[in-house]
Amino acid sequence: DGGITQSPKYLFRKEGQNVTLSCEQNLNHDAMYWYRQDPGQGLRLIYYSQIVNDFQKGDIAEGYSVSREKKESFPLTVTSAQKNPTAFYLCASSNQGTKNIQYFGAGTRLSVL
Amino acid sequence: SQQGEEDPQALSIQEGENATMNCSYKTSINNLQWYRQNSGRGLVHLILIRSNEREKHSGRLRVTLDTSKKSSSLLITASRAADTASYFCATARTGANNLFFGTGTRLTVIP
Repeated sequence: DGGITQSPKYLFRKEGQNVTLSCEQNLNHDAMYWYRQDPGQGLRLIYYSQIVNDFQKGDIAEGYSVSREKKESFPLTVTSAQKNPTAFYLCASSNQGTKNIQYFGAGTRLSVL
Repeated sequence: SQQGEEDPQALSIQEGENATMNCSYKTSINNLQWYRQNSGRGLVHLILIRSNEREKHSGRLRVTLDTSKKSSSLLITASRAADTASYFCATARTGANNLFFGTGTRLTVIP
């Protein structure tokens, strides 16, 4: 099946801990994105990557880090510097020339213990 | 920053009625898209309208775009209980590589 896979579905973070959310796509898309969604809110862009080994900060990058070593993978690390990490995290991908239509994973819900 | 604002924030209708959601945005765009999100799930793309188009249809969906007013509307006709979800507009801003999402309208269709 083609698509975007996010794991884990649920994640718990202890105080001072870094956690990494996985995002893998087999759609051969060039661009990948990470969004944060708080309850009853819209999506806010954390980071995006247009190409392997390159990424740009979105609107709320502080306390987060990413890497793009492979086209298929765009992991997001929530660092201890992110003081309010409890949220629903969504990964998406898109291809050049398709008018920025984005395809989303099922999300990871992160909570703080 | 979020580009769009949806109106209303929440909408509750009876099955079979039509549902209309509105989206306003602030800057020039290449296209505007509507997405649907079921509770606790990812977003699914529904329909895209380009900046030089005024109306587009897809099944029970009708989208309009008024670039002079920087607004769009999504009409779902003959609603079904399965249409219950949150609906988001997203704009592809001129010169930008990413989408800017609105705050969403939560639609409840009562059987």
